[in-house]
Amino acid sequence: DIVMTQSPESLAVSLGERATINCKSSQSVLYSSNNKNNLAWYQQKPGQPPKLLIYWASTRESGVPDRFSGSGSGTDFTLTISSLQAEDVAVYYCHQYYNSPNTFGQGTRLEIK
Amino acid sequence: EVQLLESGGGLVEPGGSLRLSCAASGLTFSNHVLSWVRQAPGTGQQWVSSITGSGGSTYYADSVKGRFTISRDNSRNTLYLQMNSLRAEDTAIYYCAKRRTAGQSAFDYWGQGTLVTVSS
Repeated sequence: DIVMTQSPESLAVSLGERATINCKSSQSVLYSSNNKNNLAWYQQKPGQPPKLLIYWASTRESGVPDRFSGSGSGTDFTLTISSLQAEDVAVYYCHQYYNSPNTFGQGTRLEIK
Repeated sequence: EVQLLESGGGLVEPGGSLRLSCAASGLTFSNHVLSWVRQAPGTGQQWVSSITGSGGSTYYADSVKGRFTISRDNSRNTLYLQMNSLRAEDTAIYYCAKRRTAGQSAFDYWGQGTLVTVSS
């Protein structure tokens, strides 16, 4: 199974500042046939299911604010929130769908400093 | 809009059984691969099982293979998960989830989840 490792485990950022979350996979999730990284990011708030933010490592889901962006390729990926808003407090997860079983990171808790 | 609504969770003793259901609306049900994904308390998500649109192919995580059975009724727009020989480590919120596209892809819609607690 591909192991997804997120860092840091928790993060406190001031309102309006940049937040950066990292995700590393134990093997490449880049599909050579279409040159796409099979990597997604989700946001989960307490008592709610995960919400899809980013897929193909860098494509924003419809309706997601443009302060959220994804980058990276192969085994190293980053989710960036350019200007933190109060409603962004949540746990963020990465997810590889390169192969089965799909696996998820352990989560990064984002709080306001 | 796509809606997924799980039911059937509850408290069960180790070795017991439960059947989860997921009622779907807002989509052409039989066109979509559907999955069960679970989240144990304080942890990340774990993919459990998937089933193709026709129901002809099913897939399971090693941890539940032989104990859980996924199925669907396309006439009722409902997905099921029959869980037998339950263990304490199966305690989790179970989500029904839909992938964005056919094949391997991100999960774009999730239900609210149903809590399964395995304890004596």
